[in-house]
Amino acid sequence: GAVVSQHPSWVICKSGTSVKIECRSLDFQATTMFWYRQFPKQSLMLMATSNEGSKATYEQGVEKDKFLINHASLTLSTLTVTSAHPEDSSFYICSGSGTGGGTEAFFGQGTRLTVV
Amino acid sequence: QQQVKQSPQSLIVQKGGISIINCAYENTAFDYFPWYQQFPGKGPALLIAIRPDVSEKKEGRFTISFNKSAKQFSLHIMDSQPGDSATYFCAASTGGSTLGRLYFGRGTQLTVWP
Repeated sequence: GAVVSQHPSWVICKSGTSVKIECRSLDFQATTMFWYRQFPKQSLMLMATSNEGSKATYEQGVEKDKFLINHASLTLSTLTVTSAHPEDSSFYICSGSGTGGGTEAFFGQGTRLTVV
Repeated sequence: QQQVKQSPQSLIVQKGGISIINCAYENTAFDYFPWYQQFPGKGPALLIAIRPDVSEKKEGRFTISFNKSAKQFSLHIMDSQPGDSATYFCAASTGGSTLGRLYFGRGTQLTVWP
């Protein structure tokens, strides 16, 4: 299947700083990127959906000014957690679908964010 | 409201046994039903998926059974192996040829004892 490369796989940052997570589709064009958050032993919670070149659509309860999503190209989407706090510590996962990938969604490896 | 309901929450199976995980949905507009396997610290990986025009799909040891009238689908893992120990998520989506957002079940933690 197609590959979505997500970096970093883990990051530790100080409270109040910002962290950027990158997702790249390596062998297909991700016209749509989904960003999820996952707490331990829980399911994936959709945070936002972004289409290439458009503003992201955020799920209810997700602060768009805190979780900045950029999807400027068909192969790159980024999630920036601004002014991170300990409660933002979680596992963040991206997923892309689009041209050349069929009807599947391909997931990145996930990023473990720890805010101290 | 949970769009896709998954059970059981956890499952323990002996090596060589059959693992069965069930999911149910309400939205009849769903037309794509994938199953994902997730290992600790990793992103989910697509295991197998089905569309509502077929009642069963088999890939190796993994089989999806789909009951459109009951709005239920299940994953069967034959000859379960310790390496199958992971969390499994069912999901559902709309969108036809273009994948819409996925609605996930709560997950099933499968443990296969050697």
